[in-house]
Amino acid sequence: AQSVTQLGSHVSVSEGALVLLRCNYSSSVPPYLFWYVQYPNQGLQLLLKYTSAATLVKGINGFEAEFKKSETSFHLTKPSAHMSDAAEYFCAVSWGSGNTGKLIFGQGTTLQVKP
Amino acid sequence: ETGVTQSPTHLIKTRGQQVTLRCSSQSGHNTVSWYQQALGQGPQFIFQYYREEENGRGNFPPRFSGLQFPNYSSELNVNALELDDSALYLCASSSENKPIMDQYFGPGTRLLVL
Repeated sequence: AQSVTQLGSHVSVSEGALVLLRCNYSSSVPPYLFWYVQYPNQGLQLLLKYTSAATLVKGINGFEAEFKKSETSFHLTKPSAHMSDAAEYFCAVSWGSGNTGKLIFGQGTTLQVKP
Repeated sequence: ETGVTQSPTHLIKTRGQQVTLRCSSQSGHNTVSWYQQALGQGPQFIFQYYREEENGRGNFPPRFSGLQFPNYSSELNVNALELDDSALYLCASSSENKPIMDQYFGPGTRLLVL
């Protein structure tokens, strides 16, 4: 079955440090890949997406992710963490086409940013 | 551009009752997807509606049903509520005229079943 694995349910970094959130998916067929952020008591906000164009994808708030087919990975990074980055982050994949594909989410990673 | 809205924001029900959750899609979007997010978990796909027809379903029992209306708003109905139905229910809207899978999520309805 298709699945998404986020390594590390909780990641803690200091303000100004590198953020690295890991995501691996279970298919040799490149899917569409997404990272979403969820702040407390809110819905999901799209950070960035990979749709078979450039393998390095830049998103909002200084985040970026690199699609590595050989590693079936789509890790999220940010060079310098800010306090406002503290939130829950979800990696998601879709093997559907157009706007009809369902999203399959990972379990989420809670990012804590320490002052 | 109006975003995705959901109502109510919070709801408390007892086991065996029925509940209806509502979602208004973003302007110009004709597709609505519903997801269940249990505490500490990632969202799970329930089903999707496209132009008023169900267009894909996840691994949820038939007591989870839905509707989409001509204005593309949608309802999620859950019958015979169980304790495990307690979760945040998210809807997301998208459009066939937009780039692949640009799904916009609402703030969710938090359901507690006692």
